Amino acid sequence: EAGVTQSPTHLIKTRGQQATLRCSPISGHTSVYWYQQALGLGLQFLLWYDEGEERNRGNFPPRFSGRQFPNYSSELNVNALELEDSALYLCASGLAGFNEQFFGPGTRLTVL
Amino acid sequence: AQRVTQPEKLLSVFKGAPVELKCNYSYSGSPELFWYVQYSRQRLQLLLRHISRESIKGFTADLNKGETSFHLKKPFAQEEDSAMYYCALSDAGGTSYGKLTFGQGTILTVHP
Repeated sequence: EAGVTQSPTHLIKTRGQQATLRCSPISGHTSVYWYQQALGLGLQFLLWYDEGEERNRGNFPPRFSGRQFPNYSSELNVNALELEDSALYLCASGLAGFNEQFFGPGTRLTVL
Repeated sequence: AQRVTQPEKLLSVFKGAPVELKCNYSYSGSPELFWYVQYSRQRLQLLLRHISRESIKGFTADLNKGETSFHLKKPFAQEEDSAMYYCALSDAGGTSYGKLTFGQGTILTVHP
């Protein structure tokens, strides 16, 4: 069974630009979760999508947004990039109603 | 607000010794607790969850609601147990539903 996939593996942007990160969930999973793992801050919950709708959101500014497509894949968009957005962004998938989440390998975003 | 604390950033033991990774949480609702593990150059993966009450790779963890703890234990550590371990909490229902709150992680090193 294929696991959660994320692309790209690495992304380098400059301050003020926009970044788009992509995630494909495990087949059959309807929920996608996004987390940020910044140095010294640990894993922090960003967003949860299920059945195409945003279900929950962490304490991040509105320039962090995303969407979920009909095939349950998801995009995370970060606008007006700041240096502190440099982090590993992890995507996880699961089934709504079940708390178990399966993680992807992550996208390393570097903002210069 | 929910919070997960792993008091030890680093833990070193010798092969064959018992190991205990500590996790304390604060949460007023009905939490579900997990242990996730990340081996070198691998993705984050679920090790065990409190509701399943099973032993995985020789590890066990018991939820102690009185002490609000979910410590991870193994009687005889192996070198292949060396990894980063994260304790995580999920709201079983409520405004934080779908969100995993992670501790800062403990790096376990098992010496030969």
